[in-house]
Amino acid sequence: EAQVTQNPRYLITVTGKKLTVTCSQNMNHEYMSWYRQDPGLGLRQIYYSMNVEVTDKGDVPEGYKVSRKEKRNFPLILESPSPNQTSLYFCASSTPGTLAYEQYFGPGTRLTVT
Amino acid sequence: GENVEQHPSTLSVQEGDSAVIKCTYSDSASNYFPWYKQELGKGPQLIIDIRSNVGEKKDQRIAVTLNKTAKHFSLHITETQPEDSAVYFCAASKGGSYIPTFGRGTSLIVHP
Repeated sequence: EAQVTQNPRYLITVTGKKLTVTCSQNMNHEYMSWYRQDPGLGLRQIYYSMNVEVTDKGDVPEGYKVSRKEKRNFPLILESPSPNQTSLYFCASSTPGTLAYEQYFGPGTRLTVT
Repeated sequence: GENVEQHPSTLSVQEGDSAVIKCTYSDSASNYFPWYKQELGKGPQLIIDIRSNVGEKKDQRIAVTLNKTAKHFSLHITETQPEDSAVYFCAASKGGSYIPTFGRGTSLIVHP
C-alpha cells in the first residue's frame, strides 16, 4: 500500500531533551516536507527536500533540523525542544517530477513539550 | 510572500445542502490551488485541485472555481453527507516554489 508513515504518533517530552520524528514513504517520491499544524494557524511548512542530500527551509524552520540521506526517509530533529514546539506535525511527499503538487501526508505526530 | 485567507472558519449545514468555502490569495504568480480534506486523527488528503489555466473543475459532488482576476478560488460541495464532515484546507503555490501556503482551515459539520 502506498503510504507515508511517521513515528512516533504521540510523544510527550521535556524541554531540552533531543528527539527525532521519523518519516518514510514507499512511493519513490523525490519531494518530501515537514509541516506543523497549530489551532487557527493552518499548516505551516518547516523544511522541505527536493531530493537526497538537498534540503531547504520553509516558513518556520527555527529550532528544527532535517536530513535526507535516503530517498525514502526524511527525519525531523528537535535538538533542544521547547514548549512552543508543542504541535501536530505532518510529513508529506509528492509525486515524481512535480513540485509541491499533489502532496501525500502522513498520519501525524502529536508532540507535547513540557 | 503569499498570503491565503480562508472563510468561513466553521460551516454547519444540513445533510443534502450545499457548502461553499472561499479562499483568496495575494500573489498573482501563484498558479496551483489544491484543496485538502482532513478527517479527525488523520493527515490531510488531496481531494481536488485546479491550475491557473482553468476556471472550473468538477469531480462528482465537489467542484472548484478560480477567478484569477479577483485572486480567489472556492470549493463547492453539493448534496452534502455526514461523511463530508471534516476540516478543509485550501492552498496556493507557484511553479518553481516548493513552499505552498495554506489557509487556516474550515471545519465543515454536516448534520444528519
